[in-house]
Amino acid sequence: DARVTQTPRHKVTEMGQEVTMRCQPILGHNTVFWYRQTMMQGLELLAYFRNRAPLDDSGMPKDRFSAEMPDATLATLKIQPSEPRDSAVYFCASGLMVGNNSPLHFGNGTRLTVT
Amino acid sequence: AQTVTQSQPEMSVQEAETVTLSCTYDTSENNYYLFWYKQPPSRQMILVIRQEAYKQQNATENRFSVNFQKAAKSFSLKISDSQLGDTAMYFCAFMKLETSGSRLTFGEGTQLTVNP
Repeated sequence: DARVTQTPRHKVTEMGQEVTMRCQPILGHNTVFWYRQTMMQGLELLAYFRNRAPLDDSGMPKDRFSAEMPDATLATLKIQPSEPRDSAVYFCASGLMVGNNSPLHFGNGTRLTVT
Repeated sequence: AQTVTQSQPEMSVQEAETVTLSCTYDTSENNYYLFWYKQPPSRQMILVIRQEAYKQQNATENRFSVNFQKAAKSFSLKISDSQLGDTAMYFCAFMKLETSGSRLTFGEGTQLTVNP
């Protein structure tokens, strides 16, 4: 059963440290999304890629966040330097967008705690 | 920009009964898709059901069905014969079709508790 894989599942780090979250989308999916979930803001779109090209990262704080897809099997979300307000669950999702809808498949998320 | 509103932060239902979760959205688009996702305590996001806006027939998946009212921009989820495993946060989501890609916009979520 194909699934989106995210690592690590949990991450605790100190303020100022660099954090890298990884995502392996489902093989063959051409679109990858990064969402952040907090109690206050709910699910927010940070960035998304289609065919590895970034389409929109307007939801991402540019000064400290960066998202990349080095290849079709890996997406990364990096925070440098991390701050306590970055504490959240970060979800990666992938889908196959070929002119029509395709449900997004979500990973299990990375719970980030910045102290 | 599209917005999705779920006006019920919490709901509860007795096991085996029926419950309806409400969702409204705002868009100027004519072609789009609507989804309900379930997030149990394990925090995994699970697709429950989806609806294409061009289809008048309401989608159904086993015990889950929707009432899609396009003119009213309403998309409610009905869960029949509720089970304890249905306890979860439920998110309504909107997807606009874009030539360069599509994104999901989520509502705030409704925490559903099924009581034994």
